[in-house]
Amino acid sequence: DVVLTQTPPTLSATIGQSVSISCRSSQSLLHSNGNTYLNWLLQRPGQPPQLLIYLVSRLESGVPNRFSGSGSGTDFTLKISGVEAEDLGVYYCVQSTHAPFTFGSGTKLEIK
Amino acid sequence: EVQLQQSGPEVGRPGSSVKISCKASGYTFTDYVMNWVKQSPGQGLEWIGWIDPEYGSTDYAEKFKKKATLTADTSSNTAYIQLSSLTSEDTATYFCARSGLSWYFDFWGPGTMVTVSS
Repeated sequence: DVVLTQTPPTLSATIGQSVSISCRSSQSLLHSNGNTYLNWLLQRPGQPPQLLIYLVSRLESGVPNRFSGSGSGTDFTLKISGVEAEDLGVYYCVQSTHAPFTFGSGTKLEIK
Repeated sequence: EVQLQQSGPEVGRPGSSVKISCKASGYTFTDYVMNWVKQSPGQGLEWIGWIDPEYGSTDYAEKFKKKATLTADTSSNTAYIQLSSLTSEDTATYFCARSGLSWYFDFWGPGTMVTVSS
């Protein structure tokens, strides 16, 4: 199975600070069809996860543009440009290039 | 508006089975695959499998092949997961999540808590 390693496991940020989360895959997530199925989710406390970014860098409808995704192959990054209070929660990367689909272990974002 | 409405919390005895539902609305049920995801208390997310409601085809993570059975009823736009031979390891919240051709989970149900207790 593909292992996704997220770093850091926890992140503490002040309002307005920019932060990045890394997601490294144990194998390339480039599918034979040319797509890379790496997505980012946010799970706020007591809520189901919500989709932020899909196909590495595409912003889901309704998600603020302070969120951005980048990367290729095995290395991916989620960046939040100017953290806001509502951004607290646990961020997960998830891959659906290879079965079984797998999630990273999560990065907990705390607001200072 | 897309909505996934899940059934309420369940308590199951060790060795028994439980069946959770996920009723979809706001889109054509057969145009999307339904995934199921497990979250153990205080833990991360695990993908269990998916079902294509149009054809009834399924795929499971190896770990859940003997644990979970996914079904779907197109007449009621409802997907189901049945968990069998319950143990304490099955105590968790179970989410349904829709995905389309690009295989990202764009809508999630609120989750159903399953507690295994004698």
